[in-house]
Amino acid sequence: KQEVTQIPAALSVPEGENLVLNCSFTDSAIYNLQWFRQDPGKGLTSLLLIQSSQREQTSGRLNASLDKSSGRSTLYIAASQPGDSATYLCAVDNTDKLIFGTGTRLQVFP
Amino acid sequence: EADIYQTPRYLVIGTGKKITLECSQTMGHDKMYWYQQDPGMELHLIHYSYGVNSTEKGDLSSESTVSRIRTEHFPLTLESARPSHTSQYLCASSVGQVDTQYFGPGTRLTVL
Repeated sequence: KQEVTQIPAALSVPEGENLVLNCSFTDSAIYNLQWFRQDPGKGLTSLLLIQSSQREQTSGRLNASLDKSSGRSTLYIAASQPGDSATYLCAVDNTDKLIFGTGTRLQVFP
Repeated sequence: EADIYQTPRYLVIGTGKKITLECSQTMGHDKMYWYQQDPGMELHLIHYSYGVNSTEKGDLSSESTVSRIRTEHFPLTLESARPSHTSQYLCASSVGQVDTQYFGPGTRLTVL
């Protein structure tokens, strides 16, 4: 059974820092891995999707990498801003069903 | 921004009531999903559909039921709500594995 773990569970940093959020999964037979952002009381917003054949994806200040063989992904956030404060969720796609981690709650203070 | 809508956004009801949570998308996606999320916890898939007249149970057992009579509409029903059903319910849709899932804003349900 696929299990997804995210470390750290919470992170509080000053504005401007570069951040790395970690995601690990137990079953490497995935179709893709996705990173989402969730603001309090809201739905999820897709940030990046990495297909199983890809190693990384970039969008603006965000870069996500995937190492399928070791069951790991990282989300790199450059030059963090207070607006980046949210919960970041990693999810792996097994047969069209997403399995989510518990997320990393990020706070960026001015 | 994704065109997927959920109503109501917030609902407080008494035990034993029948409720239907609405979810609609205007993107023509065949695949739709319902997730349940307790505060601070991960999302769990409770129902999904691959198209009209197709519904399947997800990984988390749920007393709710769903229907898919139209492509754009995927309502979730609780016949008799209980306090244990208090949670946030998130609806999503997708094209498939090459595309992400698009999420609605969620319905926060409280059963007293």
